[in-house]
Amino acid sequence: GENVEQHPSTLSVQEGDSAVIKCTYSDSASNYFPWYKQELGKRPQLIIDIRSNVGEKKDQRIAVTLNKTAKHFSLHITETQPEDSAVYFCAASIGGGATNKLIFGTGTLLAVQP
Amino acid sequence: DAGVTQSPTHLIKTRGQHVTLRCSPISGHKSVSWYQQVLGQGPQFIFQYYEKEERGRGNFPDRFSARQFPNYSSELNVNALLLGDSALYLCASSLAQGVTGELFFGEGSRLTVL
Repeated sequence: GENVEQHPSTLSVQEGDSAVIKCTYSDSASNYFPWYKQELGKRPQLIIDIRSNVGEKKDQRIAVTLNKTAKHFSLHITETQPEDSAVYFCAASIGGGATNKLIFGTGTLLAVQP
Repeated sequence: DAGVTQSPTHLIKTRGQHVTLRCSPISGHKSVSWYQQVLGQGPQFIFQYYEKEERGRGNFPDRFSARQFPNYSSELNVNALLLGDSALYLCASSLAQGVTGELFFGEGSRLTVL
């Protein structure tokens, strides 16, 4: 089936700590895995993405890792700051080839305590 | 340059009515996709259009339909509204033909069905 599971649903960390959000997907043909950040009342915005031919990607304090064998990928945020507080969604492309579906996880509410 | 624009921003309908939501993509983007976001959940894929053709469809009933116009703007139509259709409807545009590229979301149209 077409499913993306995301954990945890809520995550509270102290400023400066690291945060990790994990997702699993069901379609072995999935080849694109983006992460979106949605602040309260705002539109989702892409923060990082990874393709199936790469195992890890970093962008400053944000990194994403992908394990194709286990069908899971994770978002890592280091040195968290209060402005990192938001809902984070993982997603996976479905169908492979001329991919035309993007399935989102249920979201993780990250709260960074100052 | 203007981002993705959606209209209307808010609307209230009653059960059984019909609704049309509109989306204008970023200039130069030929791909438009629609998502339904229920409060507390991730965006659920409804449709993806590229060059005026449907390229992907999510698990939504036939009451949901969409189209893309020659100027790449798009409409989402929902017939015979149900209470459960109450949600934020997000439109996203992208450069990529499929979904394996950054999605630029609009602010959404919040639909309330009474």
